[in-house]
Amino acid sequence: AQKVTQAQTEISVVEKEDVTLDCVYETRDTTYYLFWYKQPPSGELVFLIRRNSFDEQNEISGRYSWNFQKSTSSFNFTITASQVVDSAVYFCALSEAGQGAQKLVFGQGTRLTINP
Amino acid sequence: SQTIHQWPATLVQPVGSPLSLECTVEGTSNPNLYWYRQAAGRGLQLLFYSVGIGQISSEVPQNLSASRPQDRQFILSSKKLLLSDSGFYLCALNPPGGGEQYFGPGTRLTVT
Repeated sequence: AQKVTQAQTEISVVEKEDVTLDCVYETRDTTYYLFWYKQPPSGELVFLIRRNSFDEQNEISGRYSWNFQKSTSSFNFTITASQVVDSAVYFCALSEAGQGAQKLVFGQGTRLTINP
Repeated sequence: SQTIHQWPATLVQPVGSPLSLECTVEGTSNPNLYWYRQAAGRGLQLLFYSVGIGQISSEVPQNLSASRPQDRQFILSSKKLLLSDSGFYLCALNPPGGGEQYFGPGTRLTVT
């Protein structure tokens, strides 16, 4: 069975600090997708990234970067120079790859608070 | 680009009453559609998904049901609500060939 673990329940940092959110997953599938979503106080889930299991290259998008390591089954998310607007709950998720339905398995989320 | 509408945004219902939550999508055809629930302080759990009109798959046994009467409409229902049905219900979609999964604004349901 698939499982996603986000061991950090809450993180609080001061603005401009760098922060890394951890995500560890378990799956028996040989191909799969990994995702990160942001949930601001409004509740809507905002898509941040999808990564195919074949692609272990790290990705950077502005202040956001993702480190995918298949050897340790981890897909960590780093925010550089954090801002108050980054405060939200962040979810890591996993699904099998393929043409059918994409059933996401979510971690429990990490609540990130950026203090001014 | 695709858009997901959900209504109502919030709902307060007594135990034992029926439920109907609606999700409609725009900007895409034949999407895969999903219903997720987020209980208070917990992660998201997939409830139902649909790969086409009239095709519904349930992921967990529960007091709820889903239907897809049209390609871009996905409905979550219950005949008699339980207190444990309270939560934040999110509709999501992804294109039929895969791709990113996007979420709607959600419906916050409180069963009293």
